[in-house]
Amino acid sequence: QLQLQESGPGLVRPSETLSLTCTVSGDSISSRNYFWGWVRQPPGKGLEWIGSIYYSGNTHYNPSLTRRVTISVETSKIQFSLKVNSVTAADTAVYYCARHSANWGFADYWGQGTLVTVSS
Amino acid sequence: IQLTQSPSSLSASVGDRVTITCRASQGISSYLAWYQQKPGKAPKLLIYGASSLQSGVPSRFSGDGSGTEFTLTISSLQPEDFATYYCQQLNSYSRRVTFGPGTKVDIK
Repeated sequence: QLQLQESGPGLVRPSETLSLTCTVSGDSISSRNYFWGWVRQPPGKGLEWIGSIYYSGNTHYNPSLTRRVTISVETSKIQFSLKVNSVTAADTAVYYCARHSANWGFADYWGQGTLVTVSS
Repeated sequence: IQLTQSPSSLSASVGDRVTITCRASQGISSYLAWYQQKPGKAPKLLIYGASSLQSGVPSRFSGDGSGTEFTLTISSLQPEDFATYYCQQLNSYSRRVTFGPGTKVDIK
């Protein structure tokens, strides 16, 4: 059974870097059939795609975040990470990692989500 | 590509037939998925490829459409269906993912 689990600090200071890791169990990030992504949800608001990474290492980012976001695969190949630079209160959200079908784009497995609050 | 959903919210009773519409700003073939999200939980995939039912999802959920207009229908609303529903697409050229703004379904 595939499982995804987000981990990282729940509190980040303004102007600092938000760093999260998604640990994948039950599948390989190297699979060509899927890509792996991050989605966030500010309190009381809708879902926002942050970016995705493919087995090849290619990445695609939301144009509204591309200057501040980096997604990478850890050398273990069972984790991928998210970094968001220069955070503000507007980056406060629940952050989800997910597995997407490479052909159709739907996300069939999600992590439980982790709340990250940006505050001094 | 932008996605819009209508209505943004609706009130319905158990047993009602409910239809939610998702419109894309340009044609997306059938690259559309629908999710259900309950408070404090991750989204759950219901429909992919516009009309394919995800394994384990009750058959009262169905999806239809292609191109720019899509619908999610719940044939007979159940108490556990009160939630927020999102559509989502993948742009096959840019590989960007977009979510619709959501439709909240609550109890009348």
